[in-house]
Amino acid sequence: DGGITQSPKYLFRKEGQNVTLSCEQNLNHDAMYWYRQDPGQGLRLIYYSQIVNDFQKGDIAEGYSVSREKKESFPLTVTSAQKNPTAFYLCASSMGQGAIANEQFFGPGTRLTVL
Amino acid sequence: AQSVTQLGSHVSVSEGALVLLRCNYSSSVPPYLFWYVQYPNQGLQLLLKYTSAATLVKGINGFEAEFKKSETSFHLTKPSAHMSDAAEYFCAVRGFGSSNTGKLIFGQGTTLQVKP
Repeated sequence: DGGITQSPKYLFRKEGQNVTLSCEQNLNHDAMYWYRQDPGQGLRLIYYSQIVNDFQKGDIAEGYSVSREKKESFPLTVTSAQKNPTAFYLCASSMGQGAIANEQFFGPGTRLTVL
Repeated sequence: AQSVTQLGSHVSVSEGALVLLRCNYSSSVPPYLFWYVQYPNQGLQLLLKYTSAATLVKGINGFEAEFKKSETSFHLTKPSAHMSDAAEYFCAVRGFGSSNTGKLIFGQGTTLQVKP
């Protein structure tokens, strides 16, 4: 089955620790995205990547880092510089800018709780 | 620039009643529009999309949306609500331009409650 996987589903970390969230897709999509979701605030874009080895900051990139070494993978690191990291994190992918509609397909999400 | 406004952060309907979730967009170019649904603790699932073909778009689970250029609207409807429709719904427009190319611009979401 083609799709996007995120792991783990739930993640607990102590304050001050870096943590990496995994996102893998087998849809052969060029573009990948990371969003943060907090209650009542909709989706906010953290980082996105249109092609391997390239990525851009979204609206709330401070305290986060990403890499895009492979087309299938787009891991997100939540660093200790992120002041309020507890949230639901969603990864998505799309065919890329050349696609007509370029709809995004989402993974199941990772809920991060910092203790 | 593009933007999306969803009118009403919470909508409550009775089971079997009409569902109407409102979405207005702003776009300087012909828009591509989307509706997504999110069930608790899950990712977003695409309900339907408008890509400048038919103005009435049918999606999954009995939902449909009508693109009205004169009203800059793309409201989501379902004739008869089911308990399983309770979820959060997001409207989105494809971004264009130097800062938005490749992105989706999302509304703030509308939570649909279905009462028995």
